[in-house]
Amino acid sequence: DADVTQTPRNRITKTGKRIMLECSQTKGHDRMYWYRQDPGLGLRLIYYSFDVKDINKGEISDGYSVSRQAQAKFSLSLESAIPNQTALYFCATSLGATSGANVLTFGAGSRLTVL
Amino acid sequence: AQSVTQLGSHVSVSEGALVLLRCNYSSSVPPYLFWYVQYPNQGLQLLLKYTTGATLVKGINGFEAEFKKSETSFHLTKPSAHMSDAAEYFCAVSDSGGSNYKLTFGKGTLLTVNP
Repeated sequence: DADVTQTPRNRITKTGKRIMLECSQTKGHDRMYWYRQDPGLGLRLIYYSFDVKDINKGEISDGYSVSRQAQAKFSLSLESAIPNQTALYFCATSLGATSGANVLTFGAGSRLTVL
Repeated sequence: AQSVTQLGSHVSVSEGALVLLRCNYSSSVPPYLFWYVQYPNQGLQLLLKYTTGATLVKGINGFEAEFKKSETSFHLTKPSAHMSDAAEYFCAVSDSGGSNYKLTFGKGTLLTVNP
């Protein structure tokens, strides 16, 4: 099994629908992240969490919410999906080190299409 | 604030030729630098990283990168391209202090390897 598992891998939905993307990890990492990838734009951070009680907004959090249900689970919700949220979404994890390089482990991605 | 510029959104090489992917960064503090690779339909995985010490860093699959502070560059090279190297490559920067969790990614360079 993958260290970081994302479900669903592909989803097509309609404008206005609520969508949840789920992420679970077996790495035992404290930190979890949600990124969005758009062609030609690279990866942009949506939300990040250092532990179950610590959730922080990233650079593009508008229109998104998250829930850290457990150390191993971090879900991303789109309360009312819109077409410009069509993108590839990645969950990532890392160790909770305050020094040293913060190396991310990524899931395989969830491709979301909003019609 | 940090930023990353990857020169060339698409690089095409012949099998056996030198691979050179360019990355320049901007950081107000000593940086940590990373190259990640994304194979088709997969998440990103770490190729190599620079933290401190030796400025020439070796990674997986024969890739290496050199940190040049005077040029604010961290270019990725491989002496001889293989068909399996075809992927998208992302350069990323973080600071080396308490905000090391904030990775800023470049927009990516798609590498095509021609037979």
